[in-house]
Amino acid sequence: GNSVTQMEGPVTLSEEAFLTINCTYTATGYPSLFWYVQYPGEGLQLLLKATKADDKGSNKGFEATYRKETTSFHLEKGSVQVSDSAVYFCVLPGGSYIPTFGRGTSLIVHP
Amino acid sequence: GAVVSQHPSWVICKSGTSVKIECRSLDFQATTMFWYRQFPKQSLMLMATSNEGSKATYEQGVEKDKFLINHASLTLSTLTVTSAHPEDSSFYICSARVGRVGIGETQYFGPGTRLLVL
Repeated sequence: GNSVTQMEGPVTLSEEAFLTINCTYTATGYPSLFWYVQYPGEGLQLLLKATKADDKGSNKGFEATYRKETTSFHLEKGSVQVSDSAVYFCVLPGGSYIPTFGRGTSLIVHP
Repeated sequence: GAVVSQHPSWVICKSGTSVKIECRSLDFQATTMFWYRQFPKQSLMLMATSNEGSKATYEQGVEKDKFLINHASLTLSTLTVTSAHPEDSSFYICSARVGRVGIGETQYFGPGTRLLVL
């Protein structure tokens, strides 16, 4: 079946540091891939997505490239801000319409 | 992007009462909505898939009679927690799917409903 593996958090960074949150997946075929962000006490917001291999999704300074050869969709940001502190989920829309979530990675950014 | 709303955003109730949570797609129609439960510092746990005009499909371990789901229209799904108990206290999140699987599919999430059962 489908699965998503995210790096374990929390990830603690200083402001303006470079961020990478790893995500790898197993799936049948070449599905779309998503990153969602959850701020404290809120629901999930779509951060970015990629619909096919080699696509790069980007939003709010975050980027992720859909790499078929390594089955990865790592999230990156060149310079994080305190306001980026949140939990980030890598999500794979699975077969039978059931999505598969990564465990979530908590990001803490200090001033 | 598409907007999904939930109501109420938070609710406190006494043990033994029932609580209804609404999930609405505001500017699109959703034939399929999902209900999740999230415990503190954990990922989302899928409870059930709500299909418009048919019975919901529940995940293993989720009590159908405890968590009643109704998808009355293409823009509304409701989750009723019946005879709530303190262990039902949690953060409940719904989502609606836009597009077809493999063809531009995207899920949009509601802001969540925090339930506290006393």
